[in-house]
Amino acid sequence: GENVEQHPSTLSVQEGDSAVIKCTYSDSASNYFPWYKQELGKGPQLIIDIRSNVGEKKDQRIAVTLNKTAKHFSLHITETQPEDSAVYFCAARAEGAGGTSYGKLTFGQGTILTVHP
Amino acid sequence: GAGVSQTPSNKVTEKGKYVELRCDPISGHTALYWYRQSLGQGPEFLIYFQGTGAADDSGLPNDRFFAVRPEGSVSTLKIQRTERGDSAVYLCASSPRQEQYFGPGTRLTVT
Repeated sequence: GENVEQHPSTLSVQEGDSAVIKCTYSDSASNYFPWYKQELGKGPQLIIDIRSNVGEKKDQRIAVTLNKTAKHFSLHITETQPEDSAVYFCAARAEGAGGTSYGKLTFGQGTILTVHP
Repeated sequence: GAGVSQTPSNKVTEKGKYVELRCDPISGHTALYWYRQSLGQGPEFLIYFQGTGAADDSGLPNDRFFAVRPEGSVSTLKIQRTERGDSAVYLCASSPRQEQYFGPGTRLTVT
């Protein structure tokens, strides 16, 4: 089955700096890679996702890059703010049976991001 | 609009008891997922429904765990003979197609 490794486990930055979180996956059939932000006591919130036919996607201060050959993808947050402090999870999913878009996500272990004012 | 809701938000039960956890998905979402999250870990898949049927239940740890979605909307996760190791946050997500949107979770504590 799929295995997703995430690094680093903790990341501390100063406000305004950039933060980068990296993930690798094992199943070459995986083709959908979402990122989630989880605040204390809340459920994971989808912040950005990328599909395997795209190498990079950007949404304001966040961007995700994907290298299918190397089987790794990364989350980049620029101009970090204290409210970006949370746990971030990457995930991967293979195409479902019959080419459907449904199916289980396999998550990384999470990165605790702390942005110091 | 309304997001995924889960009830109860917290559940404390004694070892050996039966519990039911409820998930109300976003209206119109055909797929519904259950995950379990232990402290300091990422969510782990349990089961997912496409409509009323379980499309993949490969993540259920054993036969004490069961889930239903009888009318293709609300789902209930049922755990029999609870054990201390079942203590975790149980997350539900619903999906219109590819993206999965999570609820706040139910924190289950088995004493």
